[in-house]
Amino acid sequence: GENVEQHPSTLSVQEGDSAVIKCTYSDSASNYFPWYKQELGKRPQLIIDIRSNVGEKKDQRIAVTLNKTAKHFSLHITETQPEDSAVYFCAARKAGTYKYIFGTGTRLKVLA
Amino acid sequence: NAGVMQNPRHLVRRRGQEARLRCSPMKGHSHVYWYRQLPEEGLKFMVYLQKENIIDESGMPKERFSAEFPKEGPSILRIQQVVRGDSAAYFCASSPASGTDTQYFGPGTRLTVL
Repeated sequence: GENVEQHPSTLSVQEGDSAVIKCTYSDSASNYFPWYKQELGKRPQLIIDIRSNVGEKKDQRIAVTLNKTAKHFSLHITETQPEDSAVYFCAARKAGTYKYIFGTGTRLKVLA
Repeated sequence: NAGVMQNPRHLVRRRGQEARLRCSPMKGHSHVYWYRQLPEEGLKFMVYLQKENIIDESGMPKERFSAEFPKEGPSILRIQQVVRGDSAAYFCASSPASGTDTQYFGPGTRLTVL
């Protein structure tokens, strides 16, 4: 069935370094890929998304890349700050449906 | 996205009791999604509803769970005869009537079954 794998499960970086989180999806019909940030005890918040008709999207320190051939997409955070520490989830949605499949999350720690 | 409201924020039930979780979507949104999140895990899709219609309930357990989104009032996720394994955070999300992709999440209800 539909599946989204997310790696790594935990990631520690020094403040100022970059962080990369990768997700792989199984359904080639997926066409929308959002990323959510969830701080402890809080709701998931959309931080960036990408559609299948583009290969890269950037918003300040955050970027997402998509490789449709390999069926994977990645979140890149540059110049990390302590407030970037959170759990990050990727998701994939199949064209023509409303169902999102989420990855298992990556706990990012930015060390000051 | 602060407009998506869920209540209660925390709910404690004993095994066998019923749990009712409420979700009020953002103003102008008529699409509601429910997700379950177990500790240290991702979000699992449960059900997608529009006003008075269940569109996709493929993620709902076959028994004890039901959802509705009436013409008036909030969406309700109902869990009958709760068991310890139902303990989780339950999030709802809403999106506009136009069906755009962006979902906005509520703060969640943390259900604890004793």
